[in-house]
Amino acid sequence: NAGVTQTPKFQVLKTGQSMTLQCAQDMNHEYMSWYRQDPGMGLRLIHYSVGAGITDQGEVPNGYNVSRSTTEDFPLRLLSAAPSQTSVYFCASSPTGVPANTGELFFGEGSRLTVL
Amino acid sequence: GQNIDQPTEMTATEGAIVQINCTYQTSGFNGLFWYQQHAGEAPTFLSYNVLDGLEEKGRFSSFLSRSKGYSYLLLKELQMKDSASYLCAGRGFKTIFGAGTRLFVKA
Repeated sequence: NAGVTQTPKFQVLKTGQSMTLQCAQDMNHEYMSWYRQDPGMGLRLIHYSVGAGITDQGEVPNGYNVSRSTTEDFPLRLLSAAPSQTSVYFCASSPTGVPANTGELFFGEGSRLTVL
Repeated sequence: GQNIDQPTEMTATEGAIVQINCTYQTSGFNGLFWYQQHAGEAPTFLSYNVLDGLEEKGRFSSFLSRSKGYSYLLLKELQMKDSASYLCAGRGFKTIFGAGTRLFVKA
């Protein structure tokens, strides 16, 4: 059972370039989310999805887009990379518990992005 | 807002007991998670409280008081491998994390 798979694990971009961080889960979880983690800032929620076709903004959505065309996949797109987006990105999924509330999060291994 | 506050760093001695506190705005969440994160790794789930009281799981216990917006994680019989960051997270329609507490366990 692979769990949550993120690719790539490492990426270096130049300012202004675009890219997509991939996230896939094989646990049939309805809830998926993207976080970024910076030193001293903890995990900050970028975007999340409660099911296929449904996405919403988190705490720090600017500069990022997401889509959820299938239950399994939740890609994160950086439209025009900026040095401020240098961070470690984590994708996480969760089975839904009580309706509209998240359960335990299962994390991918993370993607370390550097924007020059 | 959905502020979640926890101490930045703590140091404890191997074999001892340490308590990591977390406070949050009560209107934002209906439960609290605790996660452990070792340096360079992804967070892993430790515990979950949705009702008031203490949940015990081996060496780790977590407490929640919903009316006070207060939770703590208790680690007993500390081991060197417990050196990690401990993240408090609020449960709701989405999961929001505090900044984390870095725990250093010394011999």
